[in-house]
Amino acid sequence: GAGVSQTPSNKVTEKGKYVELRCDPISGHTALYWYRQSLGQGPEFLIYFQGTGAADDSGLPNDRFFAVRPEGSVSTLKIQRTERGDSAVYLCASSPIGTDTQYFGPGTRLTVL
Amino acid sequence: GENVEQHPSTLSVQEGDSAVIKCTYSDSASNYFPWYKQELGKRPQLIIDIRSNVGEKKDQRIAVTLNKTAKHFSLHITETQPEDSAVYFCAASYIHFGNEKLTFGTGTRLTIIP
Repeated sequence: GAGVSQTPSNKVTEKGKYVELRCDPISGHTALYWYRQSLGQGPEFLIYFQGTGAADDSGLPNDRFFAVRPEGSVSTLKIQRTERGDSAVYLCASSPIGTDTQYFGPGTRLTVL
Repeated sequence: GENVEQHPSTLSVQEGDSAVIKCTYSDSASNYFPWYKQELGKRPQLIIDIRSNVGEKKDQRIAVTLNKTAKHFSLHITETQPEDSAVYFCAASYIHFGNEKLTFGTGTRLTIIP
């Protein structure tokens, strides 16, 4: 079946602009995660949804970052007033309920000029 | 919170030899330890995982060992092949009701020399 998909694959924006990154999880997966991967580093946790609610948002770096999952499927990560330091690959992963395995999407490469 | 350290950061081995990557974790409550392989520009893919109720798990040429007392776990790849070249990440998590965040190591770039 289809894996986790993310759009866009690449996003270039200017400092101060607003961006939205989309994640489509594997159908039926109730858990959805957002991670950020900087060059040469491992993925860093941002936020995790169980269904529609954010079960853990402890990784969001500041209040410029926000994520939603209104219908318990697709999720959108929103970044306001982007800064050059936000440049990274943003990865999404999903899991079926009650299992440990996380399946990753291909990521969105965000570049803030 | 959890902290995962991974060594070495780069590793080159001759084709056919074995490769070992080691990770340590800080939170003794962690009980789930997956390993991901990431090729350049691609998504991380799970290659093997281990839970704290076992000390070793093997899948063909790949094995993982876990020492809970020392809080470290290792990935072993035997009979390495060129397609094993990639960046490998270890991770740790505390799973209690299922579905929890992963804390990743900084990665090991493995190069297999033909």
